[in-house]
Amino acid sequence: RKEVEQDPGPFNVPEGATVAFNCTYSNSASQSFFWYRQDCRKEPKLLMSVYSSGNEDGRFTAQLNRASQYISLLIRDSKLSDSATYLCVVDIQLISNFGNEKLTFGTGTRLTIIP
Amino acid sequence: EAGVAQSPRYKIIEKRQSVAFWCNPISGHATLYWYQQILGQGPKLLIQFQNNGVVDDSQLPKDRFSAERLKGVDSTLKIQPAKLEDSAVYLCASSTNSGNTIYFGEGSWLTVV
Repeated sequence: RKEVEQDPGPFNVPEGATVAFNCTYSNSASQSFFWYRQDCRKEPKLLMSVYSSGNEDGRFTAQLNRASQYISLLIRDSKLSDSATYLCVVDIQLISNFGNEKLTFGTGTRLTIIP
Repeated sequence: EAGVAQSPRYKIIEKRQSVAFWCNPISGHATLYWYQQILGQGPKLLIQFQNNGVVDDSQLPKDRFSAERLKGVDSTLKIQPAKLEDSAVYLCASSTNSGNTIYFGEGSWLTVV
């Protein structure tokens, strides 16, 4: 089983719609969770962290379910500029190197917003 | 604030040749990462440095890949000899000691023919 699994898509969604991405992780010791965004031929950039209580940033909502080892990202009122690949990222703190995080990336979910 | 700098941006080499990539992290960032991203996949960690020490190199193909960060600042990743399957984007990233937001450079695109 992969450490971080995502549906690769592609998701083709009309502008203004709501879209949700899911991600599962295998290591129950995982400490922190993130969503990164990667535009075509660009580097990944942090979109938002994911907290146990769930968190929202404008049109974006991230949720974590530790019991099911499941992370989600919801985008409301999607814009053309939301077209990108969304990478689920899980951080396992290295026991032997306290304070040093080990980030494992999923394969990414490709989203295209259609006018 | 200057971001993570990488060079060269693009490189085309023949198989069995060697190549080196350079990275200068964000000033003050103690942790430096090299990731390999093959088309259609997520970034895969090759090696992670804390200052000039190696924290994790478990996924680095050590028979052909090497990396160093001698003075705890900039870093070099070398591939020798290259194989066709090494064609990928090599992403350098950095983060502060305690923070876990990592910042990526634009990447070095390698094509092995």
